[in-house]
Amino acid sequence: AQTVTQSQPEMSVQEAETVTLSCTYDTSENNYYLFWYKQPPSRQMILVIRQEAYKQQNATENRFSVNFQKAAKSFSLKISDSQLGDTAMYFCAFRGSISNFGNEKLTFGTGTRLTIIP
Amino acid sequence: GAGVSQSPRYKVAKRGQDVALRCDPISGHVSLFWYQQALGQGPEFLTYFQNEAQLDKSGLPSDRFFAERPEGSVSTLKIQRTQQEDSAVYLCASSFRGGGSTDTQYFGPGTRLTVL
Repeated sequence: AQTVTQSQPEMSVQEAETVTLSCTYDTSENNYYLFWYKQPPSRQMILVIRQEAYKQQNATENRFSVNFQKAAKSFSLKISDSQLGDTAMYFCAFRGSISNFGNEKLTFGTGTRLTIIP
Repeated sequence: GAGVSQSPRYKVAKRGQDVALRCDPISGHVSLFWYQQALGQGPEFLTYFQNEAQLDKSGLPSDRFFAERPEGSVSTLKIQRTQQEDSAVYLCASSFRGGGSTDTQYFGPGTRLTVL
C-alpha cells in the first residue's frame, strides 16, 4: 500500500516570502501521479498542482512549483511571493498507476497548516 | 459553472441514529468518490463509483456504511447506527472520465457529521 508523509504539521512565513512544504511517499509502482491540494478554512479542497512520475520536468503553476525527486520519493511544493490568500491546509496526495484497478483513489498525507503573516 | 455540492453542510446525530449524506457531482462527471476526513487528518478514501457502478468500496470502515448512486449522478452515503468514531467531515469528489484516466478530482465543501 502507498503511504504519504508530510512531516511539517505547521508552517508560517511573512507575506511575499518563499516557503517550501515537504512531502515524501512510498510506493513500489513506477508510474504514478502526485498532487498538492489546498484546503482553505471554508473546507473546499482545490487542486494546486500535479506531477506525472514519468515526466522529468518539474511542474509549475504561476507562483507554485514542485521539486520532484523520484529516486528519493520526495515531492515538495514551493510557493513564491506568498500571499495572504495562500493561508490554508496543504495536502500532498498520491495516485497509483492508471493501469492498475483500485488506483483511481487518492492517498493523502496528514497535511501542513500554512499561515501567511501580513 | 456549478461545482460539487453536498448537503447537509452540518449534521448532528445522536449515537445510534441513521444518517444520509448527499452529493451532487459536477454535471456529466462519470466518477464519484467519497472520503472521510477526521479532525486534523488528511482525507481517507471510502468508496468510488463509475456511473452507477460501485467499483471500489474497500475503504468503507464497517457494514454500517453504505453508498449508492442509482442513476449515475447524485450519490448518497448512508451511515447506520452512528457511533462517536463516525464524527468527521465527509467529502465527495467527482471527475470527468472513468477509470484509467488521470482527470482532476473536484471536491465538494463536505458534510461535517457530529455524533453525540
